[in-house]
Amino acid sequence: GAVVSQHPSWVICKSGTSVKIECRSLDFQATTMFWYRQFPKQSLMLMATSNEGSKATYEQGVEKDKFLINHASLTLSTLTVTSAHPEDSSFYICSASTDSQSLHTEAFFGQGTRLTVV
Amino acid sequence: LAKTTQPISMDSYEGQEVNITCSHNNIATNDYITWYQQFPSQGPRFIIQGYKTKVTNEVASLFIPADRKSSTLSLPRVSLSDTAVYYCLVGVNYGQNFVFGPGTRLSVLP
Repeated sequence: GAVVSQHPSWVICKSGTSVKIECRSLDFQATTMFWYRQFPKQSLMLMATSNEGSKATYEQGVEKDKFLINHASLTLSTLTVTSAHPEDSSFYICSASTDSQSLHTEAFFGQGTRLTVV
Repeated sequence: LAKTTQPISMDSYEGQEVNITCSHNNIATNDYITWYQQFPSQGPRFIIQGYKTKVTNEVASLFIPADRKSSTLSLPRVSLSDTAVYYCLVGVNYGQNFVFGPGTRLSVLP
């Protein structure tokens, strides 16, 4: 199957700093990328959807100025957590979908990034 | 998007067959049913996808009745490494987001 690579796998940062997480589709063009957040023992919660070359669509309750998403190319999307606080500590996961002519589209997920804000 | 309902948790023993059923009463005509597996601190991994009847791959089988209001993921002869959370998603069309429910936490015991 297609590969989605997320970097870094884990990061520790100080409160008040910004952290950038990269999501790359290695062997396919990802027209759409999704960013999720997952707290311990909870399900994935969709944060935003981004299409290449356009602004991301954020889910209700997700601050767009705090979680900056850039989808500048068909193979790269970035999530920047600005002015991070301890409550932003979580597991962040990206996924990418291909532009398919069929009715169903499999999503491919990155391995996730564990963010710890101290 | 069709809402899904799954058991929160299940226990099984090594070597047994495990069946996890997902209810999706509001599934739309064009919706597909997709199952993902997630291990701790990893992203979800695609297991199987189907539209109707039965689909089988090297990992699992997916049974979908004629009315498509439910589906059952069948894992044959589970091992300890199958301990994970399993998510059922419905409505994975291009352009749609993937909304995850709570999933089913499967624990395989020795």
